[in-house]
This record gives sequence, structure tokens and C-alpha cells, in this order.
Amino acid sequence: AQSVSQHNHHVILSEAASLELGCNYSYGGTVNLFWYVQYPGQHLQLLLKYFSGDPLVKGIKGFEAEFIKSKFSFNLRKPSVQWSDTAEYFCAVGAGKSTFGDGTTLTVKP
Amino acid sequence: DAGVTQSPTHLIKTRGQQVTLRCSPKSGHDTVSWYQQALGQGPQFIFQYYEEEERQRGNFPDRFSGHQFPNYSSELNVNALLLGDSALYLCASSLGAGAQPQHFGDGTRLSIL
Repeated sequence: AQSVSQHNHHVILSEAASLELGCNYSYGGTVNLFWYVQYPGQHLQLLLKYFSGDPLVKGIKGFEAEFIKSKFSFNLRKPSVQWSDTAEYFCAVGAGKSTFGDGTTLTVKP
Repeated sequence: DAGVTQSPTHLIKTRGQQVTLRCSPKSGHDTVSWYQQALGQGPQFIFQYYEEEERQRGNFPDRFSGHQFPNYSSELNVNALLLGDSALYLCASSLGAGAQPQHFGDGTRLSIL
């Protein structure tokens, strides 16, 4: 069975700090990995995705994620966060029948 | 260009009742997936509809059923409601069978008393 583990439930950062949110997965088939974001009062939206090829994928708003097969990880990174990045972030594995992690709430203090 | 729309926004039911939730996909999308999101948890996959057929299903009992119409809109039906069915139900749309959810609706908040 596929599963996703997000290590940090709540992360608090100051503006301009660097961000890394952890995501580990277990999955038996072809690995398709995603990060979704939900800004306050808005619906879930796709941030970035990995299907194959370059393990470093870039998404919207300066986010990137690195797929490390040997560690079963797909961590989300951003070099310098802004107050507007305050949101909940979900990691997911599997296209179609996607399995989501329980999310990480990111609070960025101005 | 309309995104994914869901109705109703909120719903209150009692145990044993039946409920129908509705979803219209983003224009141009033909695949609809349904998710259940309990408080403090991530969305859990219920099923996906493509070409009016259920293509994939998560670990949910038969009390959860669905339908997709020729215009790609979809319904989620839940029978014999339990207290544990209280959750936010999300609809997501995408293009093609087996595709990952691209666009989500705002969800229907279902409360069971």
C-alpha cells in the first residue's frame, strides 16, 4: 500500500528564511510525486510534480522539490520565504489514485 | 473560465440518512475524483470517474457511490450515514483517465449529528 509521511506538522519561519518541508513515501509502482498548496481561504492547488527525468523539479512561486530515490523522499524547498507563503502544504504520491500526507502548516512571520 | 464548483457548501444530516454531493469540473476537464478530508488530515481518495465509469476506487465501503454524467459533472452519494462520515468532501478535476487531480473545488462540509 502506498503511504506518505510529512514530518513537520507546523513550521514557523521569519520572512527571508529558507524553507525545507520533508516528505517520505512508500509506493510499489511507478513513482509520481506532487506537492499541493492551500492558501488561507482558497482551494487546494498543484504546486509542482515529478514524473521522471531530472530529480530536481521547479514549481510556481519559486518552489522546488528534489526526488531522492534512495531515501524515498521528495522534500519541498524555497530559498527565501515570504509572508504570502503562509499556507498548508500537502505531499502526495501516485497519479489518479493519489495518496496525500497529512499536511504541514507553514506560518511566515513578517 | 470557471474552476471546479461544488454544491452545497455545507450540509447537516443525521445518522442513517443519505446524502448527494455535486461537482462540476473545470471547463475542458473530463475526469473527476472525489476525496474525503477529515479534520487535521490530508485528503483520502474515494474514487475517480472517467467516461461515466468508476475507474479507480480507494478504501471506502460500498455506502459510497458515485455517478458521472455526459457533461462530465459528477455526484457522490453516501448511504446510511455514520458519525465518522463527517468531513470535508473535495472534488478534483483533470484531463484523461488516471490523471492526477489538477484543480480542486472548495469542498462540501458534511456534518452528521
